[in-house]
Amino acid sequence: QVQLVQSGAEVKKPGASVKVSCKASGYSFSRYGISWMRQAPGQGLEWMGWISAYNGDTNYAQKFQGRVTMTTDTSTSTAYMELRSLRSDDTAVFYCARILMGRMDVWGQGTTVTVSS
Amino acid sequence: QSAPTQPASVSGSPGQSITISCTGTSSDVGSYNLVSWYQQHPGKAPKLMIYEGNKRPSGVSNRFSGSKSGNTASLTISGLQAEDEADYYCCSFAGSTTYVFGTGTKVTVL
Repeated sequence: QVQLVQSGAEVKKPGASVKVSCKASGYSFSRYGISWMRQAPGQGLEWMGWISAYNGDTNYAQKFQGRVTMTTDTSTSTAYMELRSLRSDDTAVFYCARILMGRMDVWGQGTTVTVSS
Repeated sequence: QSAPTQPASVSGSPGQSITISCTGTSSDVGSYNLVSWYQQHPGKAPKLMIYEGNKRPSGVSNRFSGSKSGNTASLTISGLQAEDEADYYCCSFAGSTTYVFGTGTKVTVL
């Protein structure tokens, strides 16, 4: 079946980086994009950016520009999101989702990232 | 880019209909027919309920419907059921492959 499986929970210190993976299966990876979202504890969903699995084009939300990098590895159908210079307010659940024409129809299970000294 | 505004909470009794609004701007909701709606139960990943304003993915109940007027999109849940109790988020295309989520609405079934 079509699914996205994300990497496990992470605990990081302030100033560190985190790289979350999102492995796709059950569909043609390069035909869709991957969006990444963040959800802080008790808060709403926040769109972080998008990457085309076809050609690697990216577009990041202004808030994260300069601090986030999204990549894909088409040989393993895996997308990655790296967030640098972590702060305590980056503590959140991060989600990847398959996207096409604004429709995010398949979501990963979420990855909890805790930033704490 | 500001998040489209949704009511913080909406409630209804079983069997009733409720409507959740999503008010954006002429740069997002008002300009594109690419508003989607997501349902999220506590501790779970969001689930797509409506896309392109008023289309339902396979498997989503026809009790869920979407519409748009000007800068405001709406999600209506008819025949409210206990399982509909969840958080709901709109999401709009905002140009240049960027998207913006609404502020979110907690739906309570009384």
